[in-house]
Amino acid sequence: AQSVAQPEDQVNVAEGNPLTVKCTYSVSGNPYLFWYVQYPNRGLQFLLKYITGDNLVKGSYGFEAEFNKSQTSFHLKKPSALVSDSALYFCAVRDRAGGATNKLIFGTGTLLAVQP
Amino acid sequence: DVKVTQSSRYLVKRTGEKVFLECVQDMDHENMFWYRQDPGLGLRLIYFSYDVKMKEKGDIPEGYSVSREKKERFSLILESASTNQTSMYLCASTGGGHNEKLFFGSGTQLSVL
Repeated sequence: AQSVAQPEDQVNVAEGNPLTVKCTYSVSGNPYLFWYVQYPNRGLQFLLKYITGDNLVKGSYGFEAEFNKSQTSFHLKKPSALVSDSALYFCAVRDRAGGATNKLIFGTGTLLAVQP
Repeated sequence: DVKVTQSSRYLVKRTGEKVFLECVQDMDHENMFWYRQDPGLGLRLIYFSYDVKMKEKGDIPEGYSVSREKKERFSLILESASTNQTSMYLCASTGGGHNEKLFFGSGTQLSVL
């Protein structure tokens, strides 16, 4: 069975400092990996995804994520945090071997709080 | 831009009522999904559909049903609402392919009293 874990309920960081939001996954085969962000009172927005190729993926709003196969991780990073980055972040995984039903498994979410 | 529209932002219903949550997408997507979001539990898949009149159970289908009579519209039905169905409900769609991103609606916060 596939699963995804976000070990931190909340991450606090000062504006201008680098940020990391952690994600680890478990799938039987090779994964497709995604990050989504949810701003207050909004639906989820796509940030970035890993399909194949370069392990470092760049996405929207200056975010990037690094796929590490040996550690089964896909941590979200940004070199310099902004107050406007404060939001709920979700990691998601889909097994490549799945059928046509496109089932995506989400983590429990990590609340990022950036202090001015 | 793709637009996924959920008919209500906030909804308050009484226990035992039949509740309809509507979702419409404007990008001719084959796949549509209903999730519920609860604090500490993340997003859990209720039902999904990969074609008109087709539906598949997700991880937590009990107490829910769905309808997809037209490609652009996917409805979630609570046959007899209960207090444990108080939650944020999110609709999403995607054009297909395992590596395609989901487009989400803004969500419906349902309170069952």
